[in-house]
Amino acid sequence: DAGVIQSPRHEVTEMGQEVTLRCKPISGHDYLFWYRQTMMRGLELLIYFNNNVPIDDSGMPEDRFSAKMPNASFSTLKIQPSEPRDSAVYFCASSFPRTGMNTEAFFGQGTRLTVV
Amino acid sequence: AQSVTQPDIHITVSEGASLELRCNYSYGATPYLFWYVQSPGQGLQLLLKYFSGDTLVQGIKGFEAEFKRSQSSFNLRKPSVHWSDAAEYFCAVGRRGTYNQGGKLIFGQGTELSVKP
Repeated sequence: DAGVIQSPRHEVTEMGQEVTLRCKPISGHDYLFWYRQTMMRGLELLIYFNNNVPIDDSGMPEDRFSAKMPNASFSTLKIQPSEPRDSAVYFCASSFPRTGMNTEAFFGQGTRLTVV
Repeated sequence: AQSVTQPDIHITVSEGASLELRCNYSYGATPYLFWYVQSPGQGLQLLLKYFSGDTLVQGIKGFEAEFKRSQSSFNLRKPSVHWSDAAEYFCAVGRRGTYNQGGKLIFGQGTELSVKP
């Protein structure tokens, strides 16, 4: 498997523009996680899905942020409108837990977002 | 509140020297414990994990970590560091339950490792 695939790897946009980050989880994984990494706050969980359904979005910073998972192989994180303070590296991760079994998450390469 | 502390923001060691990166956690119960490594411009790669059993855990690239319940610690060690080990290292905890999702994690702030030739 190619692992978790994120696109684009780098995104530079102007303040006020809409930004869409994309993630393809590992095939067969039914949990998907979106993280944000900043110098000030480190790595923080934004939202996660189970079987395409959002389970916990308490980490989403503002209403400007939204995430969807229309099918098991694709998720998006959208920021509209974007602001300079949204500049960060956004990671997607997926996992395949089963009752009574332990597992870990596999992370993508991340998308570095710069809002100017 | 649940938290993970990595006391050392930046560590420099000489190539061939031993390494220990510290990690302490605050959690209601013994969590699942992970160490991830991030090379510049790269994603997070799992080095090792602790779920249960032997408290000394072996990982990839010659790393090991020891879980000490009494100290709420999960320190990462390597007996001989290579120049390619220069990277940022993150300790993370996950909730223990019937099963864990694997990815709902609380991360430490990271320790940046530099390796001197």
